[in-house]
Amino acid sequence: DAGVTQSPTHLIKTRGQQVTLRCSPKSGHDTVSWYQQALGQGPQFIFQYYEEEERQRGNFPDRFSGHQFPNYSSELNVNALWLGDSALYLCASSLETRNTEAFFGQGTRLTVV
Amino acid sequence: GENVGLHLPTLSVQEGDNSIINCAYSNSASDYFIWYKQESGKGPQFIIDIRSNMDKRQGQRVTVLLNKTVKHLSLQIAATQPGDSAVYFCAETEDNYGQNFVFGPGTRLSVLP
Repeated sequence: DAGVTQSPTHLIKTRGQQVTLRCSPKSGHDTVSWYQQALGQGPQFIFQYYEEEERQRGNFPDRFSGHQFPNYSSELNVNALWLGDSALYLCASSLETRNTEAFFGQGTRLTVV
Repeated sequence: GENVGLHLPTLSVQEGDNSIINCAYSNSASDYFIWYKQESGKGPQFIIDIRSNMDKRQGQRVTVLLNKTVKHLSLQIAATQPGDSAVYFCAETEDNYGQNFVFGPGTRLSVLP
């Protein structure tokens, strides 16, 4: 049973560019959440997708957007990249049920230069 | 690999000793808590969870204690092993269905031979 998979594992972009990160949830999971983890800090919630809709959003600007596909996989898009967007981007999948654990992928390390 | 938690609080323990990692949370409405372990270059890995209607839960070599009165969570690891060396995060959520987790700052556990 494959866990949460993310691609690419590493990415380097230039300021002002746009980036798309991808996530395939754990088999059987229908909910995908995205987190940003800056160096030396805990992950911060960006947003969550369920039934192809953004259901919740953290304190992130509109430059951060996403999508969920019918097969539950998801994309995170970031426009007009800043240097401060450099971080580890984590995808977590879970079941749409009460109080269940979220399983994380290994993340995509984004470096903005 | 990924340098997780460069400036985090560090707990150093001798191999075979017990470890206790503490976490204070601020949201009194949080009702579901998870401890995650994050090794360098990897995403957070689920260790154990606890719901707010419990004050203690045990797993294999791990115990989580929850004190809602003082909003404190702890993770106890018995007979700590070198493979336990990692950064440990507590995560809380009050949204039962959304799993919008708020992560603590993390503690680095270093196991000494």
